[in-house]
Amino acid sequence: EVQLLESGGGLVQPGGSLRLSCAASGFTFSIYAMSWVRQAPGKGLEWVSTITGGGGTTYFADSVKGRFTISRDNSKNTLYVQMDSLRAEDTAVYYCAKDSVLSGFDYWGQGTLVTVSS
Amino acid sequence: QSVLTQPPSASGTPGQRVTISCSGSSSNIGSNNVNWYQQLPGTAPKLLIYSNNQRPSGVPDRFSGSKSGTSASLATSGLQSEDEADYYCAAWDDSLNGWVFGGGTTLTVL
Repeated sequence: EVQLLESGGGLVQPGGSLRLSCAASGFTFSIYAMSWVRQAPGKGLEWVSTITGGGGTTYFADSVKGRFTISRDNSKNTLYVQMDSLRAEDTAVYYCAKDSVLSGFDYWGQGTLVTVSS
Repeated sequence: QSVLTQPPSASGTPGQRVTISCSGSSSNIGSNNVNWYQQLPGTAPKLLIYSNNQRPSGVPDRFSGSKSGTSASLATSGLQSEDEADYYCAAWDDSLNGWVFGGGTTLTVL
């Protein structure tokens, strides 16, 4: 059974940093791209970033480019996103998702809430 | 402002057929597959339709998807109360080099 478990969310001040983790199990982690998708309170889904299975290629939404870094540790089956220079508009539930070329985001975690506020 | 355009709401009575549209452009829907996600209240999104018209295992066959040109649609036939949810379309965008979502459609069963 595929499981994705995010952690690391919380309250952070504007300009601060936070690192989210996503522990994966139930599939061969290293051969699949992984993505982060966020959802601001009461709003729709917004893609944040994607990393290929080997970690060699990354993609970012313009809204986070230069501030967020995505990475993975295939030996630990874990996905990360380092979020720097956080802004109020980054407040959202952050989901990690298994990213299949053929079938999109076929599995999602339960999400972790990030609140950026002073 | 979402790159893909969906109606904000849709509704139908039990047993009815409801369709949700998703409009894009040549750089996303026009050149890539469309996926649909269902988000029940208070839960994480779930893949409902992939590659325009394919259902993952476990998704009822009353859900179907189609694509034509730069538009796609999701249809629910035999609407049930448990289908009340938010529905999102998504596609890879070759110009933006990233995934784009529709703004979401809230489906209400009357």
